Amino acid sequence: DVKVTQSSRYLVKRTGEKVFLECVQDMDHENMFWYRQDPGLGLRLIYFSYDVKMKEKGDIPEGYSVSREKKERFSLILESASTNQTSMYLCASSPPWEKLFFGSGTQLSVL
Amino acid sequence: TQLLEQSPQFLSIQEGENLTVYCNSSSVFSSLQWYRQEPGEGPVLLVTVVTGGEVKKLKRLTFQFGDARKDSSLHITAAQPGDTGLYLCRGCKETSGSRLTFGEGTQLTVNP
Repeated sequence: DVKVTQSSRYLVKRTGEKVFLECVQDMDHENMFWYRQDPGLGLRLIYFSYDVKMKEKGDIPEGYSVSREKKERFSLILESASTNQTSMYLCASSPPWEKLFFGSGTQLSVL
Repeated sequence: TQLLEQSPQFLSIQEGENLTVYCNSSSVFSSLQWYRQEPGEGPVLLVTVVTGGEVKKLKRLTFQFGDARKDSSLHITAAQPGDTGLYLCRGCKETSGSRLTFGEGTQLTVNP
């Protein structure tokens, strides 16, 4: 069965902390994505990667960075967390041009 | 500006009723996907429509892609409480590569 695993379901951090959100997929997919989901704003793309060590900015990359050192793992980094980064973060993977497979999400609260 | 507009944003109906949700854009898409997201989970793909005018059925769900490939609709017949969830459309444009766009979603609640 296809699986995208996000390391934490719930995370509480303080303003200014460095935060790592980890995502692992076991399907050998080339593409991996990080979205955030907020009420009334839908799913917004933060960053995506189409190959190891490759990354592209999405629609809202400010305040975030990513790392893809291995094909199966895509990490989202908040260098200095702020309260407006409180959100549900969703990781997804896909083969090129095909459907997305999502993880269950990480609900991040920044206090 | 949202590239894909979904309507209505919220819908609360009784079990057994029919409903239609819409996904509209001024852009032409090569294909369009519909996802459903249940609480505490990530979205799951329901269907992909590719051809203008295409109609696909998935049990009580009927998906249609507009003739001009700018819009799509999802019709549910005799809704069940298990249909409750957030319905998202996602437009695919060949020129956008993997940077594809989601609509804001329609939150459907079906009351028993």
